[in-house]
Amino acid sequence: QQQVKQSPQSLIVQKGGISIINCAYENTAFDYFPWYQQFPGKGPALLIAIRPDVSEKKEGRFTISFNKSAKQFSLHIMDSQPGDSATYFCATYFRETSGSRLTFGEGTQLTVNP
Amino acid sequence: EPEVTQTPSHQVTQMGQEVILRCVPISNHLYFYWYRQILGQKVEFLVSFYNNEISEKSEIFDDQFSVERPDGSNFTLKIRSTKLEDSAMYFCASSDWGSNQPQHFGDGTRLSIL
Repeated sequence: QQQVKQSPQSLIVQKGGISIINCAYENTAFDYFPWYQQFPGKGPALLIAIRPDVSEKKEGRFTISFNKSAKQFSLHIMDSQPGDSATYFCATYFRETSGSRLTFGEGTQLTVNP
Repeated sequence: EPEVTQTPSHQVTQMGQEVILRCVPISNHLYFYWYRQILGQKVEFLVSFYNNEISEKSEIFDDQFSVERPDGSNFTLKIRSTKLEDSAMYFCASSDWGSNQPQHFGDGTRLSIL
């Protein structure tokens, strides 16, 4: 079974700090790596995504770093805010296959203290 | 912004009964999905649906489960003879045709089997 390993399980950061969440995948055929944000009582919402031909992608305070050789990718949240407190899931996907399933990591519960 | 809607938000059912979870995907989307999230665990893929047939299913999606698009707007998941371990959040998602299309999730139905 294709696995995506995510760490840490939970993370507590002070306001203004940097939150870092890491993921590792097994199947080198995956070609799309999205991060989803989930607030309590809501469904997962796409936050940011990266393709394996790019080593880094930044959107506002959110950055994905991608290491293809190590089969790892990470989410960095700069200047973390209390409103960022949520559960974050990394995922993998076969981009060139329409309707491909998402394979999710275990999730990281982020708490940003004011 | 268009969104995926799911009903009911919470369903309580006796073990052994049948349940139908309902979803209205985004109107111009062509791919539809069901995912499951057991409390405290990761989001797991159940099934994808395209052109009125199942395009992919996971090992979780056994004969107990079925999906249907009964009309032009609804997409349903039926669980026959429910078991205690079916208790979970069930998320519906949809995506447009083509590669690199994000999957948009609804806010889920919490299914509680007594």
